[in-house]
Amino acid sequence: GAGVSQSPSNKVTEKGKDVELRCDPISGHTALYWYRQSLGQGLEFLIYFQGNSAPDKSGLPSDRFSAERTGGSVSTLTIQRTQQEDSAVYLCASSIQREQYFGPGTRLTVT
Amino acid sequence: AQSVTQPDIHITVSEGASLELRCNYSYGATPYLFWYVQSPGQGLQLLLKYFSGDTLVQGIKGFEAEFKRSQSSFNLRKPSVHWSDAAEYFCAVGAGIDMRFGAGTRLTVKP
Repeated sequence: GAGVSQSPSNKVTEKGKDVELRCDPISGHTALYWYRQSLGQGLEFLIYFQGNSAPDKSGLPSDRFSAERTGGSVSTLTIQRTQQEDSAVYLCASSIQREQYFGPGTRLTVT
Repeated sequence: AQSVTQPDIHITVSEGASLELRCNYSYGATPYLFWYVQSPGQGLQLLLKYFSGDTLVQGIKGFEAEFKRSQSSFNLRKPSVHWSDAAEYFCAVGAGIDMRFGAGTRLTVKP
């Protein structure tokens, strides 16, 4: 079956611009996660959606970051007024039980 | 609080040699344990998982891992490494919002 998909795969943007990153989870998966992976680093948790519950935003690094999940499926991560330190790979994962299934990521480069 | 340590940042092995990647965890209860692999430019792929039962678990691509409660370890092994195994490997503990990832071990395979 189809896995988690993310778009775009690569995004280059100028400092100060806003960007939107999209995640399509596996159909039927109720949980969705966003992570950030900086060069040579592990995974930094950003935000978590579970069903219709309020999202856990405890990992968002600043108020420039926000995310939504429409209809319990597709999610969009928005970064406003991008900064160079936002350059990273943004990974999305979905799950229905304990293990998480990851998308290929979006590589964001802020110039 | 749960945490994961991967003591080796980078390991180099010769093709055909055996491999062991170390993972130590801290967790308050019976842990859920995972190993993921990330090839360059890709997302994370689940190699294997341990929830309960037999402490030696088999995964995909010929990998196995052994859960040792007394040592708080979940080391990943492969008897004979192939050049295609070169990648980043992540150990994770927990589930859902409580999942924690190690910083990763980068595996280089020499011909």
